[in-house]
Amino acid sequence: LAKTTQPISMDSYEGQEVNITCSHNNIATNDYITWYQQFPSQGPRFIIQGYKTKVTNEVASLFIPADRKSSTLSLPRVSLSDTAVYYCLVPRGSGGYQKVTFGIGTKLQVIP
Amino acid sequence: GAVVSQHPSRVICKSGTSVKIECRSLDFQATTMFWYRQFPKQSLMLMATSNEGSKATYEQGVEKDKFLINHASLTLSTLTVTSAHPEDSSFYICSAAGTGGYGYTFGSGTRLTVV
Repeated sequence: LAKTTQPISMDSYEGQEVNITCSHNNIATNDYITWYQQFPSQGPRFIIQGYKTKVTNEVASLFIPADRKSSTLSLPRVSLSDTAVYYCLVPRGSGGYQKVTFGIGTKLQVIP
Repeated sequence: GAVVSQHPSRVICKSGTSVKIECRSLDFQATTMFWYRQFPKQSLMLMATSNEGSKATYEQGVEKDKFLINHASLTLSTLTVTSAHPEDSSFYICSAAGTGGYGYTFGSGTRLTVV
């Protein structure tokens, strides 16, 4: 199970782009990188998943360099409702579903 | 997309009683389910992993006789907190993985308060 490291907290003003980087140095060949968002008193919500290069969906982009030892979640033009904790996870991608261990996550505070 | 329904969302019980929390996968078959506990301002802590039809695998330090997990079908897993005490008060979250969806889908959580 790849260990992940992220900043504990970040602040951003409304309308700005936010980039949260996660390190996963011991990522394995079959591992995918997944990001989740969690609001207080709610379960984590899937944001985006990727394997390499760049992935974009309607809410975020995920940038993964060639060595895959890190990844960056990019949230364009954040709003107050994006204030949440963001988790970077690297569960095993093959051989069945392995347990997912959460790190501390990054608490994003969006400021008006 | 994949949806996991967790009930109840909030429960208050008296010390010494038992509480059951249900986790259902609504539109996919959950071959594996995970149960987490989260204390205020902390991350999710994995309690146990269960595969349909098999006994759950508990993480170190989690009492299997206190936190009973049943995963009898591909769409339902339950967590029963037996003889609950105030220190069991926490936010419990289930996660299901299986066919459909993006691997791991989480329930909305259950806030347990033991008084």
